[in-house]
Amino acid sequence: KAGVTQTPRYLIKTRGQQVTLSCSPISGHRSVSWYQQTPGQGLQFLFEYFSETQRNKGNFPGRFSGRQFSNSRSEMNVSTLELGDSALYLCASSASTETQYFGPGTRLLVL
Amino acid sequence: KNEVEQSPQNLTAQEGEFITINCSYSVGISALHWLQQHPGGGIVSLFMLSSGKKKHGRLIATINIQEKHSSLHITASHPRDSAVYICAVRPNTDKLIFGTGTRLQVFP
Repeated sequence: KAGVTQTPRYLIKTRGQQVTLSCSPISGHRSVSWYQQTPGQGLQFLFEYFSETQRNKGNFPGRFSGRQFSNSRSEMNVSTLELGDSALYLCASSASTETQYFGPGTRLLVL
Repeated sequence: KNEVEQSPQNLTAQEGEFITINCSYSVGISALHWLQQHPGGGIVSLFMLSSGKKKHGRLIATINIQEKHSSLHITASHPRDSAVYICAVRPNTDKLIFGTGTRLQVFP
């Protein structure tokens, strides 16, 4: 089975712009979670989707949003980018066993 | 105080040594995860525990629910084990909370 894929892998944006990141889960996995990793804050939970419904949301401002499609692929969007949004954004998928399988991440740099 | 504390923050070892990384948490949980992150960012899920002990190759993970504590052991450590090891707990509210990680370097 192919693993979790994330696109793009690297991205450079400027303050005020918006960005959309994509995640394709392992085939058959219906749960997709998103995480942000920064040197200062470490790994933090953003959101979790299951069968197109947001099941959980972390403590991030409304500029961070996401969605999941009927084929379980997920996107997350960050609007009005700030310098502090520079981070590694990780997506993970899971089936009913709850073990999470992580993608390689998208490294976002905001200038 | 963080809800998930890991120790030590940094660890160096000689090849072949037995290594222990500790994780303490302060909330009720349904599961605890141990993750491995290599330079470059990729994360691999090593274990998911809700009780007892699990073993996979040279890696052993234990959890004591009453004491809210888990340990990750690496036997016969090897330079390829060099990575950041992250403990994460899933409280009953269902959002994963992560520790700050333990950076392990194993020298030949």
